[in-house]
Amino acid sequence: QVQLQESGPGLVKPSGTLSLTCTVSGGSISSSNWWSWVRQPPGMGLEWIGEIHHSAGTNYNPSLESRVTISVDKSKNQFSLKLSSMAAADTAVYYCARLGVAVPPTGDWGQGTLVTVSS
Amino acid sequence: EIVLTQSPGTLSLSPGERATLSCRASQSVSSSYLAWYQQKPGQAPRLLIYGASNRATGIPDRFSGSGSGADFTLTISRLEPEDFAVYYCQHYDSSPLTFGGGTKVEI
Repeated sequence: QVQLQESGPGLVKPSGTLSLTCTVSGGSISSSNWWSWVRQPPGMGLEWIGEIHHSAGTNYNPSLESRVTISVDKSKNQFSLKLSSMAAADTAVYYCARLGVAVPPTGDWGQGTLVTVSS
Repeated sequence: EIVLTQSPGTLSLSPGERATLSCRASQSVSSSYLAWYQQKPGQAPRLLIYGASNRATGIPDRFSGSGSGADFTLTISRLEPEDFAVYYCQHYDSSPLTFGGGTKVEI
């Protein structure tokens, strides 16, 4: 089974840019799957941020699209998230997961990383 | 965007009882691209069901999914103590993928 691990800063300043990386192990990111970012504010539900294919095709949540960039580095078996103009409402646990449009989910999720937006 | 509405918000039951959770979509979910997850505090979601009715690897057969079109159901036939958690439905029919608001199953 594929393992996913998020990494990045746990604290971001308001108006700053969040940068997170997801490292995939136990499998190649160049498989046919799509790779997603999902977030969950404290005590709230799950929100899909967007996804990327190893060919670098992307889909984004329209509610976040103007602030989101997802990229892939096949040489490192990683994919990354950048979210700009961070505000308190962006405080959440951020997960990477193997999800995709029209692709059955595999159940592969990272453990999640808490990102707090605060000065 | 497909909006998923889960009901009830909270389900209060006892071990051994049957749980029935509902997920209604704002439009038809084609090919039954609907999944169910279980989430416990401090943990990532755990995939239970995909394709509306297919159990994921290692999921006990007390969990079952059904439905098509815009109405889907997750049934837990006999609740075990470890089943008390929050359950989410999620569609993967089209972008954006969306999740329901969750149903908390509590003792």
